[in-house]
Amino acid sequence: SAVISQKPSRDICQRGTSLTIQCQVDSQVTMMFWYRQQPGQSLTLIATANQGSEATYESGFVIDKFPISRPNLTFSTLTVSNMSPEDSSIYLCSVDETQETQYFGPGTRLLVL
Amino acid sequence: LAKTTQPISMDSYEGQEVNITCSHNNIATNDYITWYQQFPSQGPRFIIQGYKTKVTNEVASLFIPADRKSSTLSLPRVSLSDTAVYYCLAVGTGRRALTFGSGTRLQVQP
Repeated sequence: SAVISQKPSRDICQRGTSLTIQCQVDSQVTMMFWYRQQPGQSLTLIATANQGSEATYESGFVIDKFPISRPNLTFSTLTVSNMSPEDSSIYLCSVDETQETQYFGPGTRLLVL
Repeated sequence: LAKTTQPISMDSYEGQEVNITCSHNNIATNDYITWYQQFPSQGPRFIIQGYKTKVTNEVASLFIPADRKSSTLSLPRVSLSDTAVYYCLAVGTGRRALTFGSGTRLQVQP
């Protein structure tokens, strides 16, 4: 199975600032996904990141707020822009080795004050 | 997308068998039933997947009846370390991103 790492593992940020989260995979993958998990809640898909093209965002998420980069087949970044306390969540990246199963990173725990 | 419904929470004791049932009345023909496990402060982890009948691996068994409108995840002889949230998903080959429901919070007591 793919090994996924995320940086930072956690951060505390001031409102109005931006944070870029990195996701690194130990093998080349076609698609990477970014999810958000608010405290005590389930996971919600933010966007799908394909290498060489713009990310595809889910309803309720926009590129200006959550810009994504996917420069190669093993790496992606998610930026949380102009943060507010409502952005306090765990942000997870994932990849799928088969079409039916995904592997998740450990998550980035973000607290916005 | 097929909506899945599962109990919000369950309690069990060490050594017992735990069965978590998931309802998916509108499952599509090409959807697989997939279960993930999530421990606190970790990302979800794939447990098991099936299309119909019974699938067993080293961690769990998955029972899917012929009509595929429901499925049951069976965890044999649970231990304290099985305390986690378990998610049932209907995963189709046409869409690779996952849609998570609310999950079932399993608490295993000594």
